Amino acid sequence: GQQVMQIPQYQHVQEGEDFTTYCNSSTTLSNIQWYKQRPGGHPVFLIQLVKSGEVKKQKRLTFQFGEAKKNSSLHITATQTTDVGTYFCAGFGILDSNYQLIWGAGTKLIIKP
Amino acid sequence: SQTIHQWPATLVQPVGSPLSLECTVEGTSNPNLYWYRQAAGRGLQLLFYSVGIGQISSEVPQNLSASRPQDRQFILSSKKLLLSDSGFYLCAWTRAVQETQYFGPGTRLLVL
Repeated sequence: GQQVMQIPQYQHVQEGEDFTTYCNSSTTLSNIQWYKQRPGGHPVFLIQLVKSGEVKKQKRLTFQFGEAKKNSSLHITATQTTDVGTYFCAGFGILDSNYQLIWGAGTKLIIKP
Repeated sequence: SQTIHQWPATLVQPVGSPLSLECTVEGTSNPNLYWYRQAAGRGLQLLFYSVGIGQISSEVPQNLSASRPQDRQFILSSKKLLLSDSGFYLCAWTRAVQETQYFGPGTRLLVL
């Protein structure tokens, strides 16, 4: 069935460095959502991308949806300690004959002391 | 505004005991409701979803079950817990299938 692969699993950065996480789907997604989960917390919606090639920005966060609607990325410029957490992508596609939200495994952002 | 509640916040249960986790949504009607489980340091596994009262779809065969006795109430149950049932259980709601998922605060379950 359709899968959404998310890499890397972990990323350690110094505060002030950039961070990027990537999601790749085996087939076309109708849209993709990004969520952030702080340590000990629950996932919180960040953004949804719908159009092919779409790019959206939220302050230091830049979200992209690929031209083929099979991949997406989240880039954080100049990370801060408040960025710590796990970032999940989730795309709408066909899984086991059902049209549903398919979650990536998440990328954990760790800020080195 | 809409809010989603889950209880209890934490739970420690012995193997073989029953389980009942509750999720309620306020401020909206006819939401789609979801139960997820998250193992420590892992991603989200969809367990059940419901598009209406009494309508439950199961994603993963296991010893858990779900029920939706009221429009804004979603319950996760088990008759006999296994060690592997330990994890962080999250309830979520959406207005429609492709819209934003809003998560509750979660229940941390430890089965000993």
